[in-house]
Amino acid sequence: QVQLQESGPGLVKPSETLSLTCSVSGDSITNNYWNWIRQPAGKGLEWIGRIHFSGIANHNTSLTTRLIMSVDTSKNQFSLKLTSVTAADTAVYYCARDSGVEVRGVVFDFWGQGTPVIVSS
Amino acid sequence: DIQLTQSPSTLSASIGDRVTITCRASQSISNLLAWYQQKPGKAPKLLIYKASTLESGVPSRFSGSGSGADFTLTISSLQPDDFATYYCQEHNDYSMWTFGQGTKVEIK
Repeated sequence: QVQLQESGPGLVKPSETLSLTCSVSGDSITNNYWNWIRQPAGKGLEWIGRIHFSGIANHNTSLTTRLIMSVDTSKNQFSLKLTSVTAADTAVYYCARDSGVEVRGVVFDFWGQGTPVIVSS
Repeated sequence: DIQLTQSPSTLSASIGDRVTITCRASQSISNLLAWYQQKPGKAPKLLIYKASTLESGVPSRFSGSGSGADFTLTISSLQPDDFATYYCQEHNDYSMWTFGQGTKVEIK
């Protein structure tokens, strides 16, 4: 069974960088595409970005200038860095898998449990 | 960017009711729409993709329909486990993907 698990600091100071890692088990990180999605408390879902081990990446256009994503094939993990954070970046952050446009479109079939991140001094 | 508008925002229903949620896209997205169910404190769960294809393991009381810009999610007979928030998501775009604002299904 495919499992994803987010990890990282739960508290980040304003203007600093939010860093999260998603560890994947039950699937190779080279097989699919890997996404970050966030959800502010009591609000809806916002897709953040998507990465493939080959380097192909897509970003939410509202976050492009602050977003860095990477893949570590040796650890079967992928990571998110969001720079210059503000209170508006406070949310639960999820990692999720998609199988690619050609397979069944970009739909998120496996998700991590989510990790809360608070931006506050 | 494609915008998705769900209605209603909240829906009150009873066990056994037939429930319908709609999702309207700001432009045609063919049949490339997915539906998710989210319970409090949990990650969303994929229910349907390509408007009407049921994800493996999802009960058959869930169904989806529509094409172009108008879509519906129907629960044929609401069960206690179905009280949750439902989101649509377009998977038409090749570079960015968006969700609807959600529909909360509450107990009447």
